[in-house]
Amino acid sequence: QKEVEQNSGPLSVPEGAIASLNCTYSDRGSQSFFWYRQYSGKSPELIMFIYSNGDKEDGRFTAQLNKASQYVSLLIRDSQPSDSATYLCAVIFEGAQKLVFGQGTRLTINP
Amino acid sequence: GAVVSQHPSRVICKSGTSVKIECRSLDFQATTMFWYRQFPKQSLMLMATSNEGSKATYEQGVEKDKFLINHASLTLSTLTVTSAHPEDSSFYICSARDGAGGDYFYGYTFGSGTRLTVV
Repeated sequence: QKEVEQNSGPLSVPEGAIASLNCTYSDRGSQSFFWYRQYSGKSPELIMFIYSNGDKEDGRFTAQLNKASQYVSLLIRDSQPSDSATYLCAVIFEGAQKLVFGQGTRLTINP
Repeated sequence: GAVVSQHPSRVICKSGTSVKIECRSLDFQATTMFWYRQFPKQSLMLMATSNEGSKATYEQGVEKDKFLINHASLTLSTLTVTSAHPEDSSFYICSARDGAGGDYFYGYTFGSGTRLTVV
């Protein structure tokens, strides 16, 4: 069974600090990795995608991918209360076209 | 950017009735659409993958006769929950992949979701 694992949290971070979210996946051949943000009662929205080892930065967000260790992380700098949401890690496994989601990490930014 | 429109956003139905949920890609051709279900405080679980013009592929444990999926055009997929029961109450979300662009690295676009309550 191919899986995507996240710490469900909740993760509480003070405003202005860095929030670090982690995700591991079971399929070594996976090529595409995504971070989605989901507010309560809403559908997911894409934050970042990454498919090469290393870091990818977009504004306050940085995605980090380490294929050898099979983990992908998301860093949120200068955390804001509006960043409070559930963050979903998603992976496209090798040879597939469907997104498989982790269980999500609930993040709370405290003012 | 790509937009996926999903309707209705909320529906309440009586047990035993059927409910149809529509998912439309507004500015691109969606050769593949995905239907997810999400229960409270849980993650998205893929129910089925539909490709335009062919039968949907259902995930293990999902009843294909209960959750009917039709993807008759490149811009429309529908999910019909037949003979709905209270345990079918959930948040249903569709997602579409842009067939023309073809670059799956850019992720998939999600509809706004449908909150189904069966009473």
